[in-house]
Amino acid sequence: AQSVTQPDIHITVSEGASLELRCNYSYGATPYLFWYVQSPGQGLQLLLKYFSGDTLVQGIKGFEAEFKRSQSSFNLRKPSVHWSDAAEYFCAVGDNQAGTALIFGKGTTLSVSS
Amino acid sequence: GAVVSQHPSWVICKSGTSVKIECRSLDFQATTMFWYRQFPKQSLMLMATSNEGSKATYEQGVEKDKFLINHASLTLSTLTVTSAHPEDSSFYICSARSGEAKGGGNTIYFGEGSWLTVV
Repeated sequence: AQSVTQPDIHITVSEGASLELRCNYSYGATPYLFWYVQSPGQGLQLLLKYFSGDTLVQGIKGFEAEFKRSQSSFNLRKPSVHWSDAAEYFCAVGDNQAGTALIFGKGTTLSVSS
Repeated sequence: GAVVSQHPSWVICKSGTSVKIECRSLDFQATTMFWYRQFPKQSLMLMATSNEGSKATYEQGVEKDKFLINHASLTLSTLTVTSAHPEDSSFYICSARSGEAKGGGNTIYFGEGSWLTVV
């Protein structure tokens, strides 16, 4: 079955510390992988995406993610977290077919402590 | 860049009434749009796939007669919640893909979302 697992429901990180949010997927076809961020009451903002090529992708706001096919993972990282990064983060998987929707993980809530 | 716009952003309706949410692709044509529902502090759950000029495809457990989807043009899909009840209160988000499916992948855009509160 196609699915996305985000093992960590809630993570608290000190401001300035590094961050890694985990994402594992199960997908039958070649996966296209995405990370989105959602602030309370807001819509989704795309942080980064992976389709092919370099397995380390750079996104906005200093985020990066690494695709590891052998581990079926697409973990999100940031070297130094800012208080404004506190939000809900969703990993999603899809394919290259126009009629296919994304499948989302349950999300990870990031809190940033001062 | 390409944008998907939803309207209204917030809507309050009385129980038993119907409410329509619009999803527009502003500068690209979308033959397919997707409607998601998100409960507080939960993930996005796909409700249905909206296909221009044909019937929508609903996910298991989603009532077709309650959540009416119309995709009358290549830039507009509407979701109508009929006979709304308080349990329909939720955050509804649409998305659309632009461009053809190619090796580099096409781009997926999300609307800003619509908060529905049924009182």
